[in-house]
Amino acid sequence: DAGVIQSPRHEVTEMGQEVTLRCKPISGHNSLFWYRQTMMRGLELLIYFNNNVPIDDSGMPEDRFSAKMPNASFSTLKIQPSEPRDSAVYFCASSPGTGASETQYFGPGTRLLVL
Amino acid sequence: GENVEQHPSTLSVQEGDSAVIKCTYSDSASNYFPWYKQELGKGPQLIIDIRSNVGEKKDQRIAVTLNKTAKHFSLHITETQPEDSAVYFCAIRNDYKLSFGAGTTVTVRA
Repeated sequence: DAGVIQSPRHEVTEMGQEVTLRCKPISGHNSLFWYRQTMMRGLELLIYFNNNVPIDDSGMPEDRFSAKMPNASFSTLKIQPSEPRDSAVYFCASSPGTGASETQYFGPGTRLLVL
Repeated sequence: GENVEQHPSTLSVQEGDSAVIKCTYSDSASNYFPWYKQELGKGPQLIIDIRSNVGEKKDQRIAVTLNKTAKHFSLHITETQPEDSAVYFCAIRNDYKLSFGAGTTVTVRA
């Protein structure tokens, strides 16, 4: 299995620019999660999709962040405009379903640096 | 997210010794407790998990214990090896939501 695929792996951009992060979940998985990891706040859930529908976006920091899942095999996380405090590693994870013990499988992450 | 406290934040052990990481939580509705290992430049990978109806689970050199009454659970790694060096995260799950501890950086000295 290819696992969760994320692109790009690294992104360096200037403040004010638009950033788009991409994720391909494991085939057949119904749930998709976007996380952000920083030294200060650790791993935080940003948004959760089930069957391509956003279920919980309470972790999205502010209106500059948006996420979409147009189909079962693709999701994007967009930051517009980006700010230096958005610098972090962004992970996408997927799981087979929504059961209480469904394992979440993480991608390799996108390391974002906003200058 | 729900509060999960993880200790210690760093742990250095001699190769062959054991490592123990402890987590406490406050949400009594949590019913699933996974542990993730994160190596440098990679995403977290599940290494072991335990459900609330089980007190202990073992997988080769790794074991997890759960005390739901006291709301704490622990990861035990025996016979540590250099490849065990990584950051370990505990997590609790309530419905779909995982809340993570702050992580423990484990260094195994050869």
